[in-house]
Amino acid sequence: DTGVSQDPRHKITKRGQNVTFRCDPISEHNRLYWYRQTLGQGPEFLTYFQNEAQLEKSRLLSDRFSAERPKGSFSTLEIQRTEQGDSAMYLCASSLGQGSTEKLFFGSGTQLSVL
Amino acid sequence: AQSVTQLGSHVSVSEGALVLLRCNYSSSVPPYLFWYVQYPNQGLQLLLKYTSAATLVKGINGFEAEFKKSETSFHLTKPSAHMSDAAEYFCAVSDRVFGNEKLTFGTGTRLTIIP
Repeated sequence: DTGVSQDPRHKITKRGQNVTFRCDPISEHNRLYWYRQTLGQGPEFLTYFQNEAQLEKSRLLSDRFSAERPKGSFSTLEIQRTEQGDSAMYLCASSLGQGSTEKLFFGSGTQLSVL
Repeated sequence: AQSVTQLGSHVSVSEGALVLLRCNYSSSVPPYLFWYVQYPNQGLQLLLKYTSAATLVKGINGFEAEFKKSETSFHLTKPSAHMSDAAEYFCAVSDRVFGNEKLTFGTGTRLTIIP
C-alpha cells in the first residue's frame, strides 16, 4: 500500500495560465474524490468518480475546471485560465466500495498559488 | 443539506489533560459522522466514524466520540493528551442518500498541546 500520491506538491502559476494536477489513488480503490482546501477552512468537495465515471460535481466547480479518470486509474484535474481565487490546496482521496461510510484515504495535496 | 459546525478554531490543552473537541451537525436524515486528523505535511487520516451502530465510537490513538441525537452533537474526546496529538481535527458528515456520497467537512480545530 503506497498510499494516494499527488503531483506536483506545489505549483506556482500566473493568472490566466492553465494548470493540471495528477492523482494516483491506491491501486484497488474504485472511488476517487477531489477536494479543495483554503486557509482556515475544511476541505470542500469538488467532484468524484466511481471507476471512470464522474458521478457528481459540486456547484463550486466552474466550467474552467475539468476532471478525468481514464480507465478508472489515475485522475487529472485541470484548471483553465486560472484566477487568484483558485489559490488553494487541492486534495485527492480514494476509497474502496460503495456508499457513504467508506474510509477515505487522502493524499498530501497540491498547493496552487496563482500570482 | 447536511453540515457540521466545529466550535473553537483553536484549542490548547496541557499534556496529560482531557481533550474535548466540539462538533455539532445538521442533517435532514440520520447522518454518518466522521472525525479526521491532519498532521503537518500529511494527508487527512480517519480517526473514527459513526454509522448508526453504537453511539459511543472508539477510534485510533485513544480517541473516542459520542453521538448524541438530542444535542445533534458528535464531540471528540481523549482522556489524556499527548504531545503527538498536536494537529488539526476535522469533523465531517455524510448523507445517507444514495448518490450523495460525499463528505461535508467543518472548518477544523487546531489542537495545541502545552508541555
